[in-house]
Amino acid sequence: EVQLLESGGGLVQPGGSLRLSCAASGFTFTDYGMCWVRQAPGKGLQWVSAISGSGDRPWYADSVKGRFTISRDNSKNTVYLHLNSLRAEDTAMYYCGKGTHPTAIFPYDWGQGTMVTVSS
Amino acid sequence: QAVVTQEPSLTVSPGGTVTLTCGSSTGPVTGGHYTYWFQQKPGQAPTTLIYDTFNKHSWTPVRFSGSLLGGKAALTLSGAQPEDEADYYCLLFYGDRGIFGGGIRLTVL
Repeated sequence: EVQLLESGGGLVQPGGSLRLSCAASGFTFTDYGMCWVRQAPGKGLQWVSAISGSGDRPWYADSVKGRFTISRDNSKNTVYLHLNSLRAEDTAMYYCGKGTHPTAIFPYDWGQGTMVTVSS
Repeated sequence: QAVVTQEPSLTVSPGGTVTLTCGSSTGPVTGGHYTYWFQQKPGQAPTTLIYDTFNKHSWTPVRFSGSLLGGKAALTLSGAQPEDEADYYCLLFYGDRGIFGGGIRLTVL
């Protein structure tokens, strides 16, 4: 059974940083691209970032490019999202997703999410 | 940047059929957009219903189907059940990124 467990969310001040983690189990981790999708309170879904199974190819939405960095540690079956220069509009639930193949950038399976609140 | 459009809301009667659509501001939606459809119920994480235009997740009920229709991606629900009341989102691929539609609130009434 595929399991995705996000962690690392919390309250951070504008301009601050945070690292989100997504621990994966139940599948061969390197065989799948992984992604992050966020949802601001009461709003719709927004695709944020993805990374290939090998970890050598990242993708980003324009709204986070240059501020967020995605990475993965295939020895730990974990994908990370490093959030820098945070703004109030980054406040959202952040979901981790597993793709359908090594360069898939969309979620086939989802985690339960971790909440990030950017506020002073 | 492209804009992905969905109807804001739809209502279907129990047992009825409804089609949700997903359009792109850049032109017709094609197989190259690798359309995904997601269902989200209040307070829950989204779940994937359809991927790559018409493929179903292992748990997708048979009453849901994906297609391309009139230049848009479409999600058809045949035989609506009360538990299908939810928000539905489409996601389109644009070369190096994904863009979600604004979501459709589907009411079963």
